[in-house]
Amino acid sequence: DSGVTQTPKHLITATGQRVTLRCSPRSGDLSVYWYQQSLDQGLQFLIQYYNGEERAKGNILERFSAQQFPDLHSELNLSSLELGDSALYFCASSVGQGLAWGYTFGSGTRLTVV
Amino acid sequence: KNEVEQSPQNLTAQEGEFITINCSYSVGISALHWLQQHPGGGIVSLFMLSSGKKKHGRLIATINIQEKHSSLHITASHPRDSAVYICAGNTGNQFYFGTGTSLTVIP
Repeated sequence: DSGVTQTPKHLITATGQRVTLRCSPRSGDLSVYWYQQSLDQGLQFLIQYYNGEERAKGNILERFSAQQFPDLHSELNLSSLELGDSALYFCASSVGQGLAWGYTFGSGTRLTVV
Repeated sequence: KNEVEQSPQNLTAQEGEFITINCSYSVGISALHWLQQHPGGGIVSLFMLSSGKKKHGRLIATINIQEKHSSLHITASHPRDSAVYICAGNTGNQFYFGTGTSLTVIP
């Protein structure tokens, strides 16, 4: 157990639907990073939050949004789902604002859009 | 063209062999990371380095800043080393990932 908790582990949903993925960071970590891993594109950075505020943005689609709550857990919302959104979604957490502080990955949420 | 390129894409080795995975990057980075992803999907950070060399058990990572190149070496490889190894560079809080090297170590 890495200390970073992601739920659910698996999710199957239909095109056009909306889902929410949840990440609880390791105790004491203030940053949460979201990544998408698809078969054809590998791992891609989506977005980072630090202590409730957005800090960095990567290749995140407009249909996707995220937030970090006062208790530091984060949610990634994916809407108007398409078949191509099927992927593993990972979050990672770190204690500081940057990756230089070290980071830990969660075990991922596997999203299948049918 | 990806900012981070890895080679080879796939690698099969006999148990006990010395293994090298290469990574080249074209962007300025703060640090170079090596990640390991097991068949179950979980990702573990192996190394984060910005210069020189780091060693952890049978794993060694090196980086040449001038040549924008890093290598991951596995000595005395073992079937439990079978995994996908991913190289990534970070600038600030952004990661640029390589496509991964799938390693299979045969007993």
